[in-house]
Amino acid sequence: EVQLVESGGGLVKPGGSLRLSCAASGFTFSNAWMSWVRQAPGKGLEWVGRIKSKTDGGTTDYAAPVKGRFTISRDDSKNTLYLQMNSLKTEDTAVYYCTTDLGYCSGGSCYSGWFDPWGQGTLVTVSS
Amino acid sequence: QSVLTQPPSVSGAPGQRVTISCTGSSSNIGAGYDVHWYQQLPGTAPKLLIYGNSNRPSGVPDRFSGSKSGTSASLAITGLQAEDEADYYCQSYDSSLSGSAVVFGGGTKLTVL
Repeated sequence: EVQLVESGGGLVKPGGSLRLSCAASGFTFSNAWMSWVRQAPGKGLEWVGRIKSKTDGGTTDYAAPVKGRFTISRDDSKNTLYLQMNSLKTEDTAVYYCTTDLGYCSGGSCYSGWFDPWGQGTLVTVSS
Repeated sequence: QSVLTQPPSVSGAPGQRVTISCTGSSSNIGAGYDVHWYQQLPGTAPKLLIYGNSNRPSGVPDRFSGSKSGTSASLAITGLQAEDEADYYCQSYDSSLSGSAVVFGGGTKLTVL
C-alpha cells in the first residue's frame, strides 16, 4: 500500500525554524517527484514547492511566498522527504501535506503534474 | 485571490447533476496545461478525483467526469449522493514572465440538499 506520513509539525514563534519530514512506503521513492502543499485554516490549497527525482536532476522549485525561506530535500536511502522552514511568519500557519508529484519533462522544460497520493498532513502553527 | 477561479459554493439534491467551473487564463489552462481535480472530505487530506482533464483514477465512480475547453475546465457530478458533500479543487500549471508554478482554484463547497 502506498503511504505518506508527515511529522514534525508544532508551535513555533515568528522568525523561528521547523523541519518537517515525510516518510514514504509502498512505492519506489527514489523515482518519484515530490511536492509539499499547504492549507491555512479554513482556506484553500497552496503549492509550496517540489523536488524532482535524482534521475531527473533532483532540482527544486518553490512558490514565491516561500522562496528563500523554505528548502525541500530528500534522502532516498531513508525514503524520506524533508521541508526545512526558516524565518517563519504567522501567514505560514497551515496544515502541510506531502504528495507524490506526477510531473514530467518535455522539450527541455519540466512541469508538475497531478498529486497522488497525499499524506494525512501535519499542522504548523506560527504564533508568539 | 487564486489564479484559477471557482465558484465558492454549489448545491444540488440527491440524484441531480451539478457542475463546478474552473476559469483560468492564457498563462495556465489556455496555454494547454492539464487540469486536475481533487475532493476533500471534511477533516481529511485531498484525494485525486480527475487527472489530465478527463481521466478517472481507479476507484473513482464514473459519476465524476471532467472536461476542458479554452481557458476553462469543468467537473461534473451526476447522480448526486450525500457522500459527495465535500470541497472540490482544480489544479493546473502556470507559466508567465514572472515564473512558473503549480496553481490551485480557491475551492468549491458542494452541499447536497
